[in-house]
Amino acid sequence: KQEVTQIPAALSVPEGENLVLNCSFTDSAIYNLQWFRQDPGKGLTSLLLIQSSQREQTSGRLNASLDKSSGRSTLYIAASQPGDSATYLCAVDPMTTDSWGKLQFGAGTQVVVTP
Amino acid sequence: DGGITQSPKYLFRKEGQNVTLSCEQNLNHDAMYWYRQDPGQGLRLIYYSQIVNDFQKGDIAEGYSVSREKKESFPLTVTSAQKNPTAFYLCASKGRGPRNTGELFFGEGSRLTVL
Repeated sequence: KQEVTQIPAALSVPEGENLVLNCSFTDSAIYNLQWFRQDPGKGLTSLLLIQSSQREQTSGRLNASLDKSSGRSTLYIAASQPGDSATYLCAVDPMTTDSWGKLQFGAGTQVVVTP
Repeated sequence: DGGITQSPKYLFRKEGQNVTLSCEQNLNHDAMYWYRQDPGQGLRLIYYSQIVNDFQKGDIAEGYSVSREKKESFPLTVTSAQKNPTAFYLCASKGRGPRNTGELFFGEGSRLTVL
């Protein structure tokens, strides 16, 4: 069964520093990997989706990389701001017929950016 | 704007009562999902549906029921058989086929509290 791990569980950085968030998964047979942001008491907001054939995706200050062979993805957030404080989750879409669409989520990394 | 609407945002229930959470999407997505989120835990899949009039149990389906009579709607009923229903419930959807990226979108969530 696919397992998704996010380390560390929590992270605090001063404003302006770059953020590096890690996501690892045990089975490289995936359709895609998605990064989400969740603010307290809110739903999840999709940040980036990387298809299995891609190595990275970029959106503004966000860049996500994918290395299927090593089972890892990294989300980089450049020049962090207090508004980046949130919980960040990754999820993989497994490439198995009986698991179609049943994304496996990591537990998330809670980020605090201090002014 | 296209999106997923969940209602109510907050719901209080007495023990022994059934309650139904609404989820409506206007994204023309085939697949819809219900997740449960508890403090300090990751998302757990309750039920999912890949097409109208069909749905499958997720990892924690006991004490819950769903229906999928319309493509746009996927209501979740929390029955009195659910022993610990207090949680944050999230509905999600995604498209299928070559014109869809497989990106998963979420609603804003419904918080259920049992009194």
